Amino acid sequence: AQKVTQAQTEISVVEKEDVTLDCVYETRDTTYYLFWYKQPPSGELVFLIRRNSFDEQNEISGRYSWNFQKSTSSFNFTITASQVVDSAVYFCALSEGLSSASKIIFGSGTRLSIRP
Amino acid sequence: DVKVTQSSRYLVKRTGEKVFLECVQDMDHENMFWYRQDPGLGLRLIYFSYDVKMKEKGDIPEGYSVSREKKERFSLILESASTNQTSMYLCASSPGTGGYSNQPQHFGDGTRLSIL
Repeated sequence: AQKVTQAQTEISVVEKEDVTLDCVYETRDTTYYLFWYKQPPSGELVFLIRRNSFDEQNEISGRYSWNFQKSTSSFNFTITASQVVDSAVYFCALSEGLSSASKIIFGSGTRLSIRP
Repeated sequence: DVKVTQSSRYLVKRTGEKVFLECVQDMDHENMFWYRQDPGLGLRLIYFSYDVKMKEKGDIPEGYSVSREKKERFSLILESASTNQTSMYLCASSPGTGGYSNQPQHFGDGTRLSIL
């Protein structure tokens, strides 16, 4: 069975600090996809990144970076030089299989607060 | 930009009422999803649909039904609302390419439903 664990329920840091959000997943499939979504106070989930299981390259997008390690079944998300606008709930998610309608399993989310 | 529109941001209903939550997407996506979001539990899939008039149960379908008569519209129905259905409800859509894609889902702003 697939499972996504975000052990950090809440994180609070001061602006400009770096912060890493952890995500650990479980799956028996060799083909799967991992996602990160951001949910700001407005409520809408915003897609940040998708990574497939065959691509272990780390990715950087501005202040955001993702570290995918199959050996530890982790897909961690780092925000560098955090800003108040980064305050949100962040969800890691996993989708198995090859169907475009495959279910996505979400973690329970990490609430990130950036203090000025 | 993909737009997923949920008919209400806030809704208050009484126990036993039949409740309709509507969702419309404007990008001709094949797949549509209904989730509920509760603190500490993340997002849980209620139902999804991969084509008009097609539906599949998610992880927590009990007490809910859905309707998809047109491609752009996916309705969630609470047959007889109960207080434990008080929650945030999120609708999402994604394209279906017929092959392995697991495309990101695009979410609406959510409906915060209170059952009194």
